[in-house]
Amino acid sequence: RKEVEQDPGPFNVPEGATVAFNCTYSNSASQSFFWYRQDCRKEPKLLMSVYSSGNEDGRFTAQLNRASQYISLLIRDSKLSDSATYLCVVMTGGFKTIFGAGTRLFVKA
Amino acid sequence: GAVVSQHPSWVICKSGTSVKIECRSLDFQATTMFWYRQFPKQSLMLMATSNEGSKATYEQGVEKDKFLINHASLTLSTLTVTSAHPEDSSFYICSVESGSNYNEQFFGPGTRLTVL
Repeated sequence: RKEVEQDPGPFNVPEGATVAFNCTYSNSASQSFFWYRQDCRKEPKLLMSVYSSGNEDGRFTAQLNRASQYISLLIRDSKLSDSATYLCVVMTGGFKTIFGAGTRLFVKA
Repeated sequence: GAVVSQHPSWVICKSGTSVKIECRSLDFQATTMFWYRQFPKQSLMLMATSNEGSKATYEQGVEKDKFLINHASLTLSTLTVTSAHPEDSSFYICSVESGSNYNEQFFGPGTRLTVL
């Protein structure tokens, strides 16, 4: 079993749609959680950290469920510019960082 | 977030040569930097953790004599791919840890290495 698992997609959605991604992790001792987005042939960029209480940043909402060991990302009112690969990232103690394989999102006009 | 640069952004070299990649933290003193590798259509794989003034910590399966890391200052870490082979062709990305309580990482733009 992979340490961090994501649905690879692709998710094809129309503009304005709401889309949700889930990510599961296997190490119950994981401490920090993030969502990054990566555009083709570019470096990952931090989208948001995921806090225990959940957090929202504009159209993006992240949730953490420690009991079930998954995190989620909800994107509302999708824009064409949201098309990218979304990486779930989990960090355990000592900076050990595990990246999920990413979920590809295509937003269509 | 921290601003990170990498140089070169891309390099093509012959098999057997060594390639040095620089990672600079432009606005932040980074005690710890990370080196990742990403093959096409795969996720980032952590290669090593670079610690200023001490030896790097390599992940399992990463040859330390093949991938030499030097973190000589708080703003510069270098990765040297020694005796490069075509299978070393990849996207190499460095990151710095933010120093915040949440330890976010900020990435450099990456270096695309092609070994002929």
